[in-house]
Amino acid sequence: GENVEQHPSTLSVQEGDSAVIKCTYSDSASNYFPWYKQELGKGPQLIIDIRSNVGEKKDQRIAVTLNKTAKHFSLHITETQPEDSAVYFCAASKGFNKFYFGSGTKLNVKP
Amino acid sequence: EPEVTQTPSHQVTQMGQEVILRCVPISNHLYFYWYRQILGQKVEFLVSFYNNEISEKSEIFDDQFSVERPDGSNFTLKIRSTKLEDSAMYFCASRGQGANSPLHFGNGTRLTVT
Repeated sequence: GENVEQHPSTLSVQEGDSAVIKCTYSDSASNYFPWYKQELGKGPQLIIDIRSNVGEKKDQRIAVTLNKTAKHFSLHITETQPEDSAVYFCAASKGFNKFYFGSGTKLNVKP
Repeated sequence: EPEVTQTPSHQVTQMGQEVILRCVPISNHLYFYWYRQILGQKVEFLVSFYNNEISEKSEIFDDQFSVERPDGSNFTLKIRSTKLEDSAMYFCASRGQGANSPLHFGNGTRLTVT
């Protein structure tokens, strides 16, 4: 089955700096890659997603890049703010049935 | 904005007891899921449900687990005889029919088996 690896497990940045979280996947048939943000006591919330026919997608301060050949995808957050502090999960799936999640990155944005 | 709601937020049960975790998916969604997250580990797929039947399940989802959509709004996960290792955060999720429809998660039920 699919295996998704996520790095780093923790990331601490100064407010205003950029943050990058990286994931790799093993199944070349995976074609959908969402990113979720999980705040304390809440369920994961979708923040951005990308499909395998696209190399990059941007939504304001958040962007995701996908390299299908290398089987890795990354989340980029620019101009980080304290409210960006949360646990971020990447995921991969073939279609929309079974999602395979990374182990999560705890992002701490210091004011 | 519509959301997936889960109850209870925390459930404590004794080993061997049955538990039912409840979820109300978003009303016009057709695909329903249960995931779990053991403390400090990855979010893991348990089961997906569509058109009143299981469409896929993981190896975790053994005979001790079952799901049901007893009416038009609720989606439940039953664990027949809980084990210590069932202690985890259980997330319900749902999505609409479109290919671009994202997965919406509830806030989870923390199950503690003692």
